Amino acid sequence: LAKTTQPISMDSYEGQEVNITCSHNNIATNDYITWYQQFPSQGPRFIIQGYKTKVTNEVASLFIPADRKSSTLSLPRVSLSDTAVYYCLVGSEERGTYKYIFGTGTRLKVLA
Amino acid sequence: EPEVTQTPSHQVTQMGQEVILRCVPISNHLYFYWYRQILGQKVEFLVSFYNNEISEKSEIFDDQFSVERPDGSNFTLKIRSTKLEDSAMYFCASVRTATYEQYFGPGTRLTVT
Repeated sequence: LAKTTQPISMDSYEGQEVNITCSHNNIATNDYITWYQQFPSQGPRFIIQGYKTKVTNEVASLFIPADRKSSTLSLPRVSLSDTAVYYCLVGSEERGTYKYIFGTGTRLKVLA
Repeated sequence: EPEVTQTPSHQVTQMGQEVILRCVPISNHLYFYWYRQILGQKVEFLVSFYNNEISEKSEIFDDQFSVERPDGSNFTLKIRSTKLEDSAMYFCASVRTATYEQYFGPGTRLTVT
């Protein structure tokens, strides 16, 4: 399973765009890249998933370069409620299930 | 919107006791997972379950742990003889097909004294 590396923490101000980069040098051909958000004392919540190039949904964008050895989660115009831990995961399907290894995540603090 | 539920929200038990953590996955989901998170640390995969059997487990999931789907709705994690280091949040997750988007429950906080 590919190991992921992210910054441990980031600070931002309300209204700014936040980009969190994750490296996954050993990503396999069939692996997808997924980002989860976790608030204190809650379960992780799916944000976005991609395989290559760019993916956008109502809450975030995910940029994946051609070599797929890294990815960047982009949160437009963050608010105080976006303060959370963000996890980058590389998922591989093994025997019909996805097994995820969570890294340490990036603790994002949004300041007023 | 359907959601994964877990009970109890908090369980306090004495070392050596057995505990059963319960999860009700989203109906029509077929793949089930348990994770744990020790306070202040990362989320750790424990086990995945499909078609009434374990499909994958981590090195954490030793003989003290077991999972069951006793009926069509519940999914349980049993710890036979709890240790102090089992104190953690335990999260259940489910997914309809073998995809990346797992739906996590709110967790059960297990405190072993």
